[in-house]
Amino acid sequence: DTAVSQTPKYLVTQMGNDKSIKCEQNLGHDTMYWYKQDSKKFLKIMFSYNNKELIINETVPNRFSPKSPDKAHLNLHINSLELGDSAVYFCASSQGRERAGELFFGEGSRLTVL
Amino acid sequence: GNSVTQMEGPVTLSEEAFLTINCTYTATGYPSLFWYVQYPGEGLQLLLKATKADDKGSNKGFEATYRKETTSFHLEKGSVQVSDSAVYFCALSGSGGYQKVTFGTGTKLQVIP
Repeated sequence: DTAVSQTPKYLVTQMGNDKSIKCEQNLGHDTMYWYKQDSKKFLKIMFSYNNKELIINETVPNRFSPKSPDKAHLNLHINSLELGDSAVYFCASSQGRERAGELFFGEGSRLTVL
Repeated sequence: GNSVTQMEGPVTLSEEAFLTINCTYTATGYPSLFWYVQYPGEGLQLLLKATKADDKGSNKGFEATYRKETTSFHLEKGSVQVSDSAVYFCALSGSGGYQKVTFGTGTKLQVIP
């Protein structure tokens, strides 16, 4: 059983389109995250939810909108895609304040905007 | 704010060579420190961690010691294998509340037979 699973794994789309990436974790964790990894492997946090409540919201264009229907799911919707949005997006989860740094990552969703 | 600096790669070593990847950090308070590894085409995996000064984290032959006096958390392995080829990320998590994890820029390791 995959602990943190994301879909789709690959996404190729045109500029201006809207797309969504879904994430689910079966670890029973209470906190979930979205990270963006650029072509140089630099990893940047975008959002974090704890029990469906937004707790971290970095400086991200408002074209990006996360949504957490329950603590096991965190989705990312991106409007009006731009070339610079091309990256690998990773979902992650962790459990509790004391172990917030122990992240479990999904395999990533590679987004290519043409 | 918090920051992590790690040595630039790529690092290329022969099998059975000794590995050191340097990592230093800047943080207020008492952060926890981590090393993550990313194999090609995969997500990051936690490799080891240390939560207080002088703690040594270890896993799969890798070790790192939390040095508060030098604000460092260098990753070492005595004898690398081809299967260790990956990108290694040093990271820290601040103390208190839900702190975001700050990652270094990653160091690519290539081990050749």
